[in-house]
Amino acid sequence: EVQLQQSGPELVKPGASMKISCKASGYSFTGYTMNWVKQSHGKNLEWIGLINPYNGGTSYNQKFKGKATLTVDKSSSTAYMELLSLTSEDSAVYYCARNYSATGAMDYWGQGTSVTVSS
Amino acid sequence: DIVLTQSPASLAVSLGQRATISCKASQSVDYDGDSYMNWYQQKPGQPPKLLIYAASNLESGIPARFSGSGSGTDFTLNIHPVEEEDAATYYCQQSNEDPYTFGGGTKLEIK
Repeated sequence: EVQLQQSGPELVKPGASMKISCKASGYSFTGYTMNWVKQSHGKNLEWIGLINPYNGGTSYNQKFKGKATLTVDKSSSTAYMELLSLTSEDSAVYYCARNYSATGAMDYWGQGTSVTVSS
Repeated sequence: DIVLTQSPASLAVSLGQRATISCKASQSVDYDGDSYMNWYQQKPGQPPKLLIYAASNLESGIPARFSGSGSGTDFTLNIHPVEEEDAATYYCQQSNEDPYTFGGGTKLEIK
């Protein structure tokens, strides 16, 4: 069974950085690219970018360049997203989601990680 | 960026009737004969769930009452017959061009 298990909720101070993890199981981790998606206010969905676990290649939404950094650890089948210089605008739920082959559809999603930026 | 406009923003449909949701793209999401439009269902407190990929292909395990159609810039998600469990918010998403983008969502209420 394919599963994406994300790290728990975070409360962070403005200006800080933090990293979310997404541990994959039930499939070949290096065989599928991984997306990261932001959901704000319980509604708006934004694609942050994706990473190819096979070679570490990335593609970012221009809006999130400098804000998010995507990495993977192949040995533990885990994808990471680091969020930098956090502001209140970064308070949201963040999801990892597997790409379904070449279609760009996201067929499996993590449960989401809630990030709250507050002093 | 490709802008996806969903309509309506919300709709209420009687049990057993048809729900139709539209998604219009600001430019074509077709490439090499395929349409890179996908549909998701999201219930409160849950991640989105893939229903339809490449405009009209039903994801494994999704009931056949869900169907997708369209090409170019105009796409439609149909649900017929609607069931109680279909109450949710539905999103379209294009994967033809970076950055991938999502529609604003359509909230479906079952009467």
